[in-house]
Amino acid sequence: NAGVTQTPKFQVLKTGQSMTLQCAQDMNHNSMYWYRQDPGMGLRLIYYSASEGTTDKGEVPNGYNVSRLNKREFSLRLESAAPSQTSVYFCSSPGEGTDTQYFGPGTRLTVL
Amino acid sequence: KQEVTQIPAALSVPEGENLVLNCSFTDSAIYNLQWFRQDPGKGLTSLLLIQSSQREQTSGRLNASLDKSSGRSTLYIAASQPGDSATYLCAVDRYSGGGADGLTFGKGTHLIIQP
Repeated sequence: NAGVTQTPKFQVLKTGQSMTLQCAQDMNHNSMYWYRQDPGMGLRLIYYSASEGTTDKGEVPNGYNVSRLNKREFSLRLESAAPSQTSVYFCSSPGEGTDTQYFGPGTRLTVL
Repeated sequence: KQEVTQIPAALSVPEGENLVLNCSFTDSAIYNLQWFRQDPGKGLTSLLLIQSSQREQTSGRLNASLDKSSGRSTLYIAASQPGDSATYLCAVDRYSGGGADGLTFGKGTHLIIQP
């Protein structure tokens, strides 16, 4: 039982490049989230998925797209990366009936 | 819009001391309040979750209290150890599990326990 896993752990992109951040959970949870963490800003919600095939925008969705193709995986895509998207990205999933949030280890992204 | 504030932003104390971290939130319509620990370069680990109907939760040397009406929570750490050094984050949600709004986080308290 790995909990929530994220790949890659680190990534450096040039402005305008695209990439997909992967997140998977093996706890059979329905909901999944993407957050970004910036110094002095705390964690902010990018996108939310209540279940397979459904997604909703969070506080800071501009410049991102998401995909929830199955219950396990929730991916975050940057179509044209910008320096303002330099951040640490976390995926999380709350326990069913417990509400405890389980977080992945994060992806540290730098956009030059 | 919900806002969560944590005081102090940083704290350094000698090993063995008892300490209190503070969290306040502006909207009392919360479902849960959670305290997390974040080690450098790592993800977040949930320490304690207090439902809005509860007043406190305890786990080992940690005790978290919640005063929903006044919008305040405290995390009490007893007999602090160097291994407790980390950033502690407070977060609230409006719906069970977070819902479409997710969790609203404070900026954290960076804690250093001196050996």
